[in-house]
Amino acid sequence: EIVLTQSPGTLSLSPGERATLSCRASQSVSSSYLAWYQQKPGQAPRLLIYGASSRATGIPDRFSGSGSGTDFTLTISRLEPEDFAVYYCQQYGSSPTFGQGTKVEIK
Amino acid sequence: EVQLVESGGGLVQPGRSLRLSCAASGFTFDDYAMHWVRQAPGKGLEWVSGISWNSGSIGYADSVKGRFTISRDNAKNSLYLQMNSLRAEDTALYYCAKAVEMQWLSFVDVWGKGTTVTVSS
Repeated sequence: EIVLTQSPGTLSLSPGERATLSCRASQSVSSSYLAWYQQKPGQAPRLLIYGASSRATGIPDRFSGSGSGTDFTLTISRLEPEDFAVYYCQQYGSSPTFGQGTKVEIK
Repeated sequence: EVQLVESGGGLVQPGRSLRLSCAASGFTFDDYAMHWVRQAPGKGLEWVSGISWNSGSIGYADSVKGRFTISRDNAKNSLYLQMNSLRAEDTALYYCAKAVEMQWLSFVDVWGKGTTVTVSS
């Protein structure tokens, strides 16, 4: 099983700031089969990024993904009020696993 | 509109069984693999199981292997999760989710709202 470790656990930022979220895998994720999801309280997750760097339909371009192998990053270039949420990475190159999540909170 | 609606959750005693259902609409159900993902109260997401478009390939998380069985009925546009020998640690909100391709080794692009399973005596 591939273990995904997200850091930091919580990110305290202000609207307009840049957010950088990390996802590290215990072994290489094949073909960059890495996705990012956003989850707000009381809601189901929403797909943001797949294939490590491709934005899902309707996702604003302030969200970007990068990385390969074992190290992946989700960047939110300028935080909007609606971006404060929990973010999960998921690998789907082998039996799927999720990271434990990073909470982006208002500072 | 693509929609997934889960049902069948509830309060069940440890060791008992429960069957979850997911009704799909708004897309061609048998063109896509499907998944169950759960979230324990206040915790993160945990993949539970996935099934290919024609039920020919199935995967389970180690935590549920041998106890849970995923299945689908393409004629009824429905996904199921039979949960046996339930434990307290199975308590969670269970989401049904649609994959983006026919095989279950895939990410998901549509989620239901979930159905709550509570395992307690």
